[in-house]
Amino acid sequence: QKEVEQNSGPLSVPEGAIASLNCTYSDRVSQSFFWYRQYSGKSPELIMSIYSNGDKEDGRFTAQLNKASQYVSLLIRDSQPSDSATYLCAVTPSGGGNKLTFGTGTQLKVEL
Amino acid sequence: EPEVTQTPSHQVTQMGQEVILRCVPISNHLYFYWYRQILGQKVEFLVSFYNNEISEKSEIFDDQFSVERPDGSNFTLKIRSTKLEDSAMYFCASSGVSGANVLTFGAGSRLTVL
Repeated sequence: QKEVEQNSGPLSVPEGAIASLNCTYSDRVSQSFFWYRQYSGKSPELIMSIYSNGDKEDGRFTAQLNKASQYVSLLIRDSQPSDSATYLCAVTPSGGGNKLTFGTGTQLKVEL
Repeated sequence: EPEVTQTPSHQVTQMGQEVILRCVPISNHLYFYWYRQILGQKVEFLVSFYNNEISEKSEIFDDQFSVERPDGSNFTLKIRSTKLEDSAMYFCASSGVSGANVLTFGAGSRLTVL
């Protein structure tokens, strides 16, 4: 069973701080990595995708991938109350295919 | 912005009944998916569909489930003989050729089995 692990939280950060969300995966040859945001009762919304080792920045968001450590993270700079949501890490498997395996998500709370 | 449309938003059914959940994927997308999320649990893959056939399915997607693309726009999930444990949010998603594993999700259909 290929697993994606996340700390369920909640992770509480003050407004304006950096939020750091972490994810590990068990399939060493996973190919593609995604961060989705899910507000309560809503569908997942793609925040970032990352495919190669290193950092990828998009606005206030930075995704970091370390395939050797099987670790992917998401940094949110200047956190806003509207960032309060559950952040889902998702991975596609080795051998191609488009199936996403999701983690259980980390709940982020940005406090005023 | 293009979106994936799902109907109904909420369906309540009695155990043993059949339900059909409907989805209209983004018009130029070629890959279609169903995922489900039981309340408080993770999003789980059910099935992927490409070129009018199932390309991959999970262990969850047993004979109780079927998918169909009855016309050029709709993509349906049929659940036969529903069970209490089928109660969940069902998400349809689609993706295009260029970003085949970049999925856009619909708003979901909440199924409640009584």
